[in-house]
Amino acid sequence: AQSVTQPDIHITVSEGASLELRCNYSYGATPYLFWYVQSPGQGLQLLLKYFSGDTLVQGIKGFEAEFKRSQSSFNLRKPSVHWSDAAEYFCASRGGTYKYIFGTGTRLKVLA
Amino acid sequence: NAGVTQTPKFRVLKTGQSMTLLCAQDMNHEYMYWYRQDPGMGLRLIHYSVGEGTTAKGEVPDGYNVSRLKKQNFLLGLESAAPSQTSVYFCASSLSRTSGSYYNEQFFGPGTRLTVL
Repeated sequence: AQSVTQPDIHITVSEGASLELRCNYSYGATPYLFWYVQSPGQGLQLLLKYFSGDTLVQGIKGFEAEFKRSQSSFNLRKPSVHWSDAAEYFCASRGGTYKYIFGTGTRLKVLA
Repeated sequence: NAGVTQTPKFRVLKTGQSMTLLCAQDMNHEYMYWYRQDPGMGLRLIHYSVGEGTTAKGEVPDGYNVSRLKKQNFLLGLESAAPSQTSVYFCASSLSRTSGSYYNEQFFGPGTRLTVL
């Protein structure tokens, strides 16, 4: 069955430090992959998406993600984290015609 | 555009009571979804709809019913609420595959926080 795994439940980084959030997917065909961010008390907002082409995709708020087929990964990165980036991050893939498969999320804490 | 809106934002129920959560979208999306979010479990799909008048079960449908009488609205009902249904409920919508872009993302509402005592 198709699945999306986020190995890190919590990550803490200092403001200004770089960030990498891990995401692994299992899907035989070309995956359609997404990263969402959820601020406290809010809904999910799309950061970026990948479906084909260049394996490095740029998103909003200075985030980028790299698709690596050989590693079945779609890791999210940001060169310098801001305190406002503290939130929960979800990786997702489109699982068939209708459904989307979500990881369990990674909660990011930013230290001042 | 308002995007995806949900009503109400908060609700407290007693066990056995019923209620309906309303989701509305103004983006003319064909697909609509109801999820529940619980700590450490991510998002779990309750029901979804691929068009007006059609609904289907997701991975955790028990205890919930849905209806999609109008394209822009998707209702989630709890007939007899149980404490296990205490959760945050999110509605989402997306374009269909035939709309041109299979890789379309979902758009989410702000959520409804439901507590069942």
